[in-house]
Amino acid sequence: AAGVIQSPRHLIKEKRETATLKCYPIPRHDTVYWYQQGPGQDPQFLISFYEKMQSDKGSIPDRFSAQQFSDYHSELNMSSLELGDSALYFCASSLRRGRETQYFGPGTRLLVL
Amino acid sequence: QKEVEQDPGPLSVPEGAIVSLNCTYSNSAFQYFMWYRQYSRKGPELLMYTYSSGNKEDGRFTAQVDKSSKYISLFIRDSQPSDSATYLCFPNTDKLIFGTGTRLQVFP
Repeated sequence: AAGVIQSPRHLIKEKRETATLKCYPIPRHDTVYWYQQGPGQDPQFLISFYEKMQSDKGSIPDRFSAQQFSDYHSELNMSSLELGDSALYFCASSLRRGRETQYFGPGTRLLVL
Repeated sequence: QKEVEQDPGPLSVPEGAIVSLNCTYSNSAFQYFMWYRQYSRKGPELLMYTYSSGNKEDGRFTAQVDKSSKYISLFIRDSQPSDSATYLCFPNTDKLIFGTGTRLQVFP
């Protein structure tokens, strides 16, 4: 069965650069979630989209923005990168927001130097 | 604010042991619960979900919900070293509020 796809899988950037992470949900899933997991930390919810509209917002810095496109894929845009942004970024998708289970992608590992 | 509370562990057991992982919840409105497993540096993987009554079995794994005591359990039979991971339980809410989960170590 198709799973959540994230790209790139690994990314190295320097401070103050920008990065774009992409997430392709499971076909027919209409909801996408983004989570950030720092080294040795629990994943933290960043933001979610349902039917291309932002549905919830967590601890996402103002330097980050995200959107969901008409084909339901989502992109997380990160600007003015800081060392502390180095983390594993997970995307998850579900059907019918909050009423179905979330399936996670493999994550994008971002390293900011 | 976490919706469930989970025994933090870590839990260390010998191969072949029966493992019991537990969570408690307070909101009786939750309709079902999910168990995820996360290996180090990997995305959380859905193990199984169960509705707020009864048991669900899948191979060596059994998920159980006790509505009266608001207690959720995951049992692993014949535990294997490959089961070594962090296990997390969640109710069916929109965003998942992660806690530390229960870290399980199964040694040969």
